[in-house]
Amino acid sequence: EVQLVESGGGLVQPGRSLRLSCAASGFTFDDYAMHWVRQAPGKGLEWVSGISWNSGSIGYADSVKGRFTISRDNAQNSLYLQMNSLRREDTAVYYCAKDTVANWGSKMDYWGQGILVTVSS
Amino acid sequence: EIVMTQSPATLSVSPGERATLSCRASQSVRSNLAWYHQKPGQAPRLLIYGASTRATGIPARFSGSGSGTEFTLTISSLQPEDFGVYYCQQYNNWPPLTFGGGTKVEI
Repeated sequence: EVQLVESGGGLVQPGRSLRLSCAASGFTFDDYAMHWVRQAPGKGLEWVSGISWNSGSIGYADSVKGRFTISRDNAQNSLYLQMNSLRREDTAVYYCAKDTVANWGSKMDYWGQGILVTVSS
Repeated sequence: EIVMTQSPATLSVSPGERATLSCRASQSVRSNLAWYHQKPGQAPRLLIYGASTRATGIPARFSGSGSGTEFTLTISSLQPEDFGVYYCQQYNNWPPLTFGGGTKVEI
C-alpha cells in the first residue's frame, strides 16, 4: 500500500523558515518524480514544486521561486521542502504527491494527508 | 503559464442524476489533462488522466472527454459519495503544472 506521510508543519512567524518532510513507503521511491502541492484555507490547489527521480530536474511555482527548495533522499525514501522567508500568503495545507513518471511533469496518483503550515505573528 | 478555467463554480445535483463539469485551457494541452476529486478534509484523489482514462479503482460512472482546450468530466449517475470539489490539472506545458479553480458538486 502506497503511503505518504508529511511532517514538520506548524505555526511560524513571517520571515522565518520551516522544513517539511514526506516519508514514502509502499512503492519504489526512486522510480518516480515527486511534488509538493498546497491549498490555502478555503481555496483551490496550487502546485508548488516538483523533482525528478534523480533530482536532475526541478521546478518551482513563481510564487515560491528563490524562497523554497525541494530535495529528496532516495536512500531514506524521503522528500523535503525547505521554506525560507515565509510570508502570510504561504499559509496552507501542504501535500506531498507522487507522480506517475520518473521525470516530473505529469499527473499525481497518490497524495499524503497534508500538513498545515500557518505563517502568522 | 497555462490558465485552467472550470465551470460552473457550483453544481447542485440530486442522487441518480447526471453531472457535467467543464474545464477550459488557455492554450492547447492536447490530451494531457487529469481530473481529481477532493472531499472535505481529505487529500485529492486522481480520477481521470489522459483526458479520458480512468485511474485504478475509479467506477465506470466517471468519464472524461475532450482534447486541446475543452474538456468535460461526466458523472453518469451521481452517488452520495461523489459530493465534493473536482479539479482539472494540465501537464502538457510546465513548469508550472496548473490546476483549475474547482467545481463544487453539492448533492
